[in-house]
Amino acid sequence: GIQVEQSPPDLILQEGANSTLRCNFSDSVNNLQWFHQNPWGQLINLFYIPSGTKQNGRLSATTVATERYSLLYISSSQTTDSGVYFCAVPLNYGGSQGNLIFGKGTKLSVKP
Amino acid sequence: DAGVIQSPRHEVTEMGQEVTLRCKPISGHDYLFWYRQTMMRGLELLIYFNNNVPIDDSGMPEDRFSAKMPNASFSTLKIQPSEPRDSAVYFCASSSRQNTGELFFGEGSRLTVL
Repeated sequence: GIQVEQSPPDLILQEGANSTLRCNFSDSVNNLQWFHQNPWGQLINLFYIPSGTKQNGRLSATTVATERYSLLYISSSQTTDSGVYFCAVPLNYGGSQGNLIFGKGTKLSVKP
Repeated sequence: DAGVIQSPRHEVTEMGQEVTLRCKPISGHDYLFWYRQTMMRGLELLIYFNNNVPIDDSGMPEDRFSAKMPNASFSTLKIQPSEPRDSAVYFCASSSRQNTGELFFGEGSRLTVL
């Protein structure tokens, strides 16, 4: 089955710094989502981005489907950005869009 | 619009007891998913429904686990009998094929089996 790898596994930033999180996947996908799991355990949608680039405030994401990777950019990080960032892709290409396989996540800690 | 609603948020029970977790998906969504999150295995799909019909339950760990969706606005995940290794956070999520299939999660039910 498709494999999803995220890097780095852990990241510590000083408040105000920028960062790039990476997600590699082993097969073609028609859907990719980024989630943020906050310290209270909530899973929050960040981006639905099967291809191209999207921006939402200080966050942006780019997926290059032909090269099987996606990047999540966080600019001017804040302590509230702390948590785990997950990338997820469909288990089967063309299958149910919500039947996702998740990477192991990048744990981000932003220090004040 | 309300998001995915799960109950209970926390459940502590003793080994051997029956546990029932509940989920109300986002109105209008036609897919419902149950995921489990543990430190060892991360987020893993247990079962999903389309239009109230179970489509794939290959992720259900064993016969002690069962899930139902009697109507479009309600689903349950039942564990009977529960075991300590079932301790995890159980997430319900929903999506709509008409809305790109983007997945939305509930806040999760944290289960501890003593």
